[in-house]
Amino acid sequence: EVQLVQSGAEVKKSGESLKISCKNFGDSFTNYWIGWVRQMPGKGLEWMGIIWPDDSDTRYSPSFQGQVTMSADKSVNTAYLRWSSLKASDTAMYYCARLLSISDGFDIWGQGTMVTVSS
Amino acid sequence: DIQMTQSPSTLSASVGDRVTITCRASQSISTWLAWYQQKPGKAPMLLIYKASSLKSGVPSRFSGSGSATEFTLTISSLQPDDFATYYCQQYNSYSWTFGQGTKVEIK
Repeated sequence: EVQLVQSGAEVKKSGESLKISCKNFGDSFTNYWIGWVRQMPGKGLEWMGIIWPDDSDTRYSPSFQGQVTMSADKSVNTAYLRWSSLKASDTAMYYCARLLSISDGFDIWGQGTMVTVSS
Repeated sequence: DIQMTQSPSTLSASVGDRVTITCRASQSISTWLAWYQQKPGKAPMLLIYKASSLKSGVPSRFSGSGSATEFTLTISSLQPDDFATYYCQQYNSYSWTFGQGTKVEIK
């Protein structure tokens, strides 16, 4: 069974850096795009970007370009989402998800990582 | 960017009701549309992709239709497990956008 398992909840202060992870179990990590989705408290889903783990080809939503960095390490089947300087407005649940194929939606989701940033 | 507008934002319905949610795209997206269900505290779950393809394991009471700019998700007979928030999502040229969501509540 394919699973994406994300790292645990984080509590940070404004200005700190953070890297969260998404580990793939049970299927070929390099055959699918992995996306990241933000959900602020009580709000809807926002697509942040996607990465092709085989060569780290990355596409960002214009809303998140320059705000976060996506990366992947295929040797450990893990994708990452990094902030260099957190803001209180980054407080949200972050999900990683696998694209079924480029146009077919995200079929496997991680459990989410809650990031809380205090000012 | 392509904008996705769902309606209604909230829908009150009873078990057994037929429920329809609409999603409109700001420009044509062919059939590159997916629907998700999300329950409180849980990750979203893919229901429909390519506008009308039912993901394996999803109950057949869920169906999707539409193309270009107008799409619908229909639940033929609402079940207690279906009370949740539903999102549409479009794909176009390496860009994805979600609708704002439709919450299906118990009437």
